[in-house]
Amino acid sequence: KAGVTQTPRYLIKTRGQQVTLSCSPISGHRSVSWYQQTPGQGLQFLFEYFSETQRNKGNFPGRFSGRQFSNSRSEMNVSTLELGDSALYLCASSLQGQGLDTQYFGPGTRLTVL
Amino acid sequence: GESVGLHLPTLSVQEGDNSIINCAYSNSASDYFIWYKQESGKGPQFIIDIRSNMDKRQGQRVTVLLNKTVKHLSLQIAATQPGDSAVYFCAENGGNAGGTSYGKLTFGQGTILTVHP
Repeated sequence: KAGVTQTPRYLIKTRGQQVTLSCSPISGHRSVSWYQQTPGQGLQFLFEYFSETQRNKGNFPGRFSGRQFSNSRSEMNVSTLELGDSALYLCASSLQGQGLDTQYFGPGTRLTVL
Repeated sequence: GESVGLHLPTLSVQEGDNSIINCAYSNSASDYFIWYKQESGKGPQFIIDIRSNMDKRQGQRVTVLLNKTVKHLSLQIAATQPGDSAVYFCAENGGNAGGTSYGKLTFGQGTILTVHP
């Protein structure tokens, strides 16, 4: 079974631009979670989607948004990019997003904001 | 607030030694814990998990111990190999009270494991 895939793997943007990242979960997984990883803050939860609905959200500004499609694929968008948004963005999928479900991670998208 | 506490220690071992990586967590409602391994340029890779109704679980060369009394988690790697060199993270699920933890894991800061041949 194919793992979680993320595209693109690398992105370079300038301040003020916006960016869209894509995530395809493991087949059969309906929950997709997004995380931001930086050296200073570590891995931080952004949001989770299930059945095209955002069920949970972390403490990030409204510039960070996402959506999920009927095939469970998910996208996240960051608008008005800031230098501090440079990070590795990881998505993880699980069967139902319930507390005891294991999350499996993709390779991440490395975003650099200049 | 809820947190899983690793203060980015570094562990350096010789090939063949046993390694022990520790993690403290603060959310007593958490009922599911996972260890991940992250190699350079890759996403976190699932190693082993444990539920709060257990205190020990074994996998291939790895053992996770859970002490709920002191909110402590550890990962033991037997016969450590150079390929085990990576950053190791513990994560907890927050217990999902009222659905507040749907799809959310809280991570420790990680431990850098270096295995010398």
